[in-house]
Amino acid sequence: KQEVTQIPAALSVPEGENLVLNCSFTDSAIYNLQWFRQDPGKGLTSLLLIQSSQREQTSGRLNASLDKSSGRSTLYIAASQPGDSATYLCAVYAGNMLTFGGGTRLMVKP
Amino acid sequence: GAGVSQSPSNKVTEKGKDVELRCDPISGHTALYWYRQSLGQGLEFLIYFQGNSAPDKSGLPSDRFSAERTGGSVSTLTIQRTQQEDSAVYLCASSLASSFVRDGYTFGSGTRLTVV
Repeated sequence: KQEVTQIPAALSVPEGENLVLNCSFTDSAIYNLQWFRQDPGKGLTSLLLIQSSQREQTSGRLNASLDKSSGRSTLYIAASQPGDSATYLCAVYAGNMLTFGGGTRLMVKP
Repeated sequence: GAGVSQSPSNKVTEKGKDVELRCDPISGHTALYWYRQSLGQGLEFLIYFQGNSAPDKSGLPSDRFSAERTGGSVSTLTIQRTQQEDSAVYLCASSLASSFVRDGYTFGSGTRLTVV
């Protein structure tokens, strides 16, 4: 059974810092890995998707990497802003379902 | 439509009543998923549809939960005899099966169910 773990569970940083959020998964037989953002009381917004054959994806200040063989992904946020405050979820797709990690709750202080 | 639409956005119901939650996926998306997110918890897989069929119902928590999809489009999740532990946000996602590896899944905004 696929298990996805995210570290840290919560993170509070001052504005402007560069951040690394970690995601690990137990079964490397995945099709893709997706990073989502969830604001309080809202649904999920897709940030980045990395296919299993890819190593990284970039969108603006966000960069996600994937090391499938070691079962790890990182989401790098450059020059964090208060508007980045949210919960970040990673999810892997395998076996006809997405399996989610528990999320990292990020607070960026002005 | 442009996105995944879920209705209602909020639902308050009395314990013991039945509720229906609706998901309208992106037009043409063949795969549809239901997830549940309880307060402070992670996302829990409920059921997956490919077209109108549900090859995986393993996530439904009890026989009070059922789901159907008609015309390969709209899906309805029904909870009978609701209990307080059913209170959660119910999220729906859809994907085009031929491109899910490249495009992933798009989620709706969810239905917040409160059982009082």
